[in-house]
Amino acid sequence: SQKIEQNSEALNIQEGKTATLTCNYTNYSPAYLQWYRQDPGRGPVFLLLIRENEKEKRKERLKVTFDTTLKQSLFHITASQPADSATYLCALDLQAGTALIFGKGTTLSVSS
Amino acid sequence: NAGVTQTPKFQVLKTGQSMTLQCAQDMNHNSMYWYRQDPGMGLRLIYYSASEGTTDKGEVPNGYNVSRLNKREFSLRLESAAPSQTSVYFCASSEVGDLVGTQYFGPGTRLTVL
Repeated sequence: SQKIEQNSEALNIQEGKTATLTCNYTNYSPAYLQWYRQDPGRGPVFLLLIRENEKEKRKERLKVTFDTTLKQSLFHITASQPADSATYLCALDLQAGTALIFGKGTTLSVSS
Repeated sequence: NAGVTQTPKFQVLKTGQSMTLQCAQDMNHNSMYWYRQDPGMGLRLIYYSASEGTTDKGEVPNGYNVSRLNKREFSLRLESAAPSQTSVYFCASSEVGDLVGTQYFGPGTRLTVL
């Protein structure tokens, strides 16, 4: 069966550390993988997109990797801050412009 | 630009009542989507519209109907609400381009069915 899993529901880290979130999938062949941030009571907000032929993508303190052999994406936040506390969703994009398939999310808490 | 707007923000219905959730976007996007989000289930696609005049079922379409009124507006209708439809509903839009398939979400409608 097709599945997309984010390895943990919750992740707690200290300010200044690097947070690493994992997204695994089975029986899909995504063209793209996207990461979104969702704050309580609000809609998801796009963060980064990585294509199947890209290994890594960076944006400021964010880094995403995509390993199509392992069927896994890692999402890193370096020098984490309490303001980074939120739920992070990974999403598979099987074909450009079609609907996304979302994981259930990982809630990150950064303590000062 | 307002982005994606949804009305109402909150709604309480009794079992069997009907209602329509409204969604509009001002980004000239072709594609629009309706999701529901439940604790422990994540975001699940109800219906989507790849372009004006077309609609397709998603993962959980039962109990819902949609209308793509024009390029800007995409509504979701519950004909006979059930407690299982208590959820947070998100509308989203996207356009194929440099950020292929990136979706822009509205603020959500929190629906409770008693």
